[in-house]
Amino acid sequence: GNSVTQMEGPVTLSEEAFLTINCTYTATGYPSLFWYVQYPGEGLQLLLKATKADDKGSNKGFEATYRKETTSFHLEKGSVQVSDSAVYFCALSEGNSGYALNFGKGTSLLVTP
Amino acid sequence: ETGVTQSPTHLIKTRGQQVTLRCSSQSGHNTVSWYQQALGQGPQFIFQYYREEENGRGNFPPRFSGLQFPNYSSELNVNALELDDSALYLCASSPDSPSGQETQYFGPGTRLLVL
Repeated sequence: GNSVTQMEGPVTLSEEAFLTINCTYTATGYPSLFWYVQYPGEGLQLLLKATKADDKGSNKGFEATYRKETTSFHLEKGSVQVSDSAVYFCALSEGNSGYALNFGKGTSLLVTP
Repeated sequence: ETGVTQSPTHLIKTRGQQVTLRCSSQSGHNTVSWYQQALGQGPQFIFQYYREEENGRGNFPPRFSGLQFPNYSSELNVNALELDDSALYLCASSPDSPSGQETQYFGPGTRLLVL
């Protein structure tokens, strides 16, 4: 079946540091890939998405590239801010599962001043 | 702001009781999905409704049931509550798409505590 594996957290970075959160996936077909962000006490917000191989999703300085050859969708940001502190979820959806989102366990990011 | 609202925000129930959680989707979003997020975990798919019919279900027992109404509102019902049902319940809606695959927009969730 489909699954998503994310790097374990928590990740602690200083402001302006470079961020990478690794995400790999297993799927039987051609999934769409997503990064969602969850701020404390809130629901999930879509951060970015990519729907086919080699697509790059980007938003608010975050980027992720859909790599079919390595089944990966790593999240990157060149310079993090304190306001980026949140939990980040990688997810996939695919037609053979009715496009339901299949999430990783989440990676907690803390950015310190 | 996704336009998806949920009520109540918090709820406390006791084991064996029944609960109904509500969601209001954006106008024009005919697909609604429900997820359960246990503390420290990623959301788990419960089921999905399209135009008032269930069209997908995750690995949850039948005591989890739902309804979707023509006015873009929906409900998640859980019978015979168990302690492990304590979680954040998230509703997500998405618009129609010819490909059948569209982004899901989440509400803020209902936090359920079962004692």
